[in-house]
Amino acid sequence: EIVLTQSPATLSLSPGERATLSCRASQSISSYLAWYQQKPGQAPRLLIYLASSRATGIPARFSGSGSGTDFTLTISSLEPEDFAVYYCQQRSNIFGQGTRLDIK
Amino acid sequence: EVQLVESGGGLVQPGGSLRLSCAASGFSFSSYWMSWVRQAPGKGLEWVANINQDGSEKHYVDSLKGRFTISRDNTRKSLHLQMNSLRAEDTAVYYCATVSNWSFGSWGQGTLITVSS
Repeated sequence: EIVLTQSPATLSLSPGERATLSCRASQSISSYLAWYQQKPGQAPRLLIYLASSRATGIPARFSGSGSGTDFTLTISSLEPEDFAVYYCQQRSNIFGQGTRLDIK
Repeated sequence: EVQLVESGGGLVQPGGSLRLSCAASGFSFSSYWMSWVRQAPGKGLEWVANINQDGSEKHYVDSLKGRFTISRDNTRKSLHLQMNSLRAEDTAVYYCATVSNWSFGSWGQGTLITVSS
């Protein structure tokens, strides 16, 4: 079973800063990786699919990159509404454990 | 607009059964794989099961050991999850979701299942 490891577990940043979240797979998953955002009390929302394609309606400040085993979600300039938990997911439906993005 | 509305959640005793439903609208339901994903209180996301467009192919997370059954009714645009022999560790919010591009594109608001005596 392919395991996804997200880092860091918690990231504390200020609005306007750049956020870089990592997801590492235990073996190659090509580009079959998605990223989700989840706010308290809400369902997850798809941000990125196939490693780098933005889902419909997702702002351009969100970008995904990587292939093989190492993937990155970048938020270029944090807005107040971006503080949430972020999950990665690979094609076998396994999720990472999540990264909590907190306001510093 | 895609809408997915889950129902059927509630409190159930250990060993009991429950059937979840998900009503779909705003998209071509019969064209999509569909999934159930759950989230235990304060925990991460766990995929539970998925089903192909005509219901002929189904997949489940290994840990369920045959206790859950996913099904769909394309004429009624609905997705179901029959849950038997429920355990405390099945306590979670259960989401239905569309599947496309190897990801979960649209999600319902979720329904809470609490397994407790």
